[in-house]
Amino acid sequence: GQSLEQPSEVTAVEGAIVQINCTYQTSGFYGLSWYQQHDGGAPTFLSYNGLDGLEETGRFSSFLSRSDSYGYLLLQELQMKDSASYFCAVSLNYGGATNKLIFGTGTLLAVQP
Amino acid sequence: DTGVSQDPRHKITKRGQNVTFRCDPISEHNRLYWYRQTLGQGPEFLTYFQNEAQLEKSRLLSDRFSAERPKGSFSTLEIQRTEQGDSAMYLCASSLGGGRALSPRNEQFFGPGTRLTVL
Repeated sequence: GQSLEQPSEVTAVEGAIVQINCTYQTSGFYGLSWYQQHDGGAPTFLSYNGLDGLEETGRFSSFLSRSDSYGYLLLQELQMKDSASYFCAVSLNYGGATNKLIFGTGTLLAVQP
Repeated sequence: DTGVSQDPRHKITKRGQNVTFRCDPISEHNRLYWYRQTLGQGPEFLTYFQNEAQLEKSRLLSDRFSAERPKGSFSTLEIQRTEQGDSAMYLCASSLGGGRALSPRNEQFFGPGTRLTVL
């Protein structure tokens, strides 16, 4: 089967750096994405790793190690508005016909003043 | 185009009734996905269309669920004979892509969802 594991909750203070880890066991792996979801809102795309290494987008960075089936999302200079749920999601690819997402259970990030 | 839209945003129904939800994707997107999300969980994949063709359907989707995308634009998701276990947020997403030319970022754009409550 497919499974993704991430911590259920993380707490940090404004201005700090936080890392959210994700480990996965899937077949047909194509890449790892990260989505942010505020309470009652739609998931919004943050970052994607198709290859090993670090991808940086402003205050957010994401890392992938395919050999370790592991990735993380790094959030820097935390702001109160970063309080949200963060989901890692694996893209599955079977012969290029689909790129459906398999989501983890999410990490609830609470940013405190 | 302001993004993916879904209608209705909320639906309350009684057990045994049929419900239908609509999703309007971003206009140039050829791929459309339906997901279901319950409290405290991540979205679960239900089904996927490329243009008007339904290419994959999750085993989570019982025979009571059916989805269509008749002209390759908007999509509908129908649940027949609703059960209390169907209560969830139903999310629609769209993306660009086709065949082996997958979007490098693999970004899916989600709508606001339809929250279904089955009494």
